[in-house]
Amino acid sequence: GAVVSQHPSRVICKSGTSVKIECRSLDFQATTMFWYRQFPKKSLMLMATSNEGSKATYEQGVEKDKFLINHASLTLSTLTVTSAHPEDSSFYICSASAGTESGEQYFGPGTRLTVT
Amino acid sequence: QQPVQSPQAVILREGEDAVINCSSSKALYSVHWYRQKHGEAPVFLMILLKGGEQKGHEKISASFNEKKQQSSLYLTASQLSYSGTYFCGTRRVGAQKLVFGQGTRLTINP
Repeated sequence: GAVVSQHPSRVICKSGTSVKIECRSLDFQATTMFWYRQFPKKSLMLMATSNEGSKATYEQGVEKDKFLINHASLTLSTLTVTSAHPEDSSFYICSASAGTESGEQYFGPGTRLTVT
Repeated sequence: QQPVQSPQAVILREGEDAVINCSSSKALYSVHWYRQKHGEAPVFLMILLKGGEQKGHEKISASFNEKKQQSSLYLTASQLSYSGTYFCGTRRVGAQKLVFGQGTRLTINP
């Protein structure tokens, strides 16, 4: 149980274009999804928290107009990187939580974004 | 505020034991432990809720000292498959999000 998928696993795009990353909970309903960014050999940095049917809550320093998050259903959240630049290249990982009291989060396999 | 993990890195021979610590300056509701292998997503190991409980998962166990706001992950008789970077994620009372430590890189050699 507790399987989370992400698509695509790798994407290369040109500067100025937009990229959409999907995060799905396959066998449970995710009331909350989280989006992280991870640089090589670094920790997981939370970008935003997304509750189903609500606007995402962004962490300080994360541009909400650049990183658009939608959580339209209990099994799907999307992250769109708009007008991507090379500095946006990174490993993006989502996690999903079923909203239990203990708050377990289960991570997707991640998406490697390279902006050329 | 990011929790502090120690040590930053450890190298073991197969069969040896290791302890990884995670300390927070804030009052915590829970501590979550994950292992991440290179290029992969973190894998959930276990969660410790406030109350000072200790949990076990095969040869991997953990404890949470609520008074000290510190959690420790114990790896006994380590196996090659235990290699990876271990992260603790801390959750404060009333919060949804986890804040992750900087990670501890564990290398197990034959």
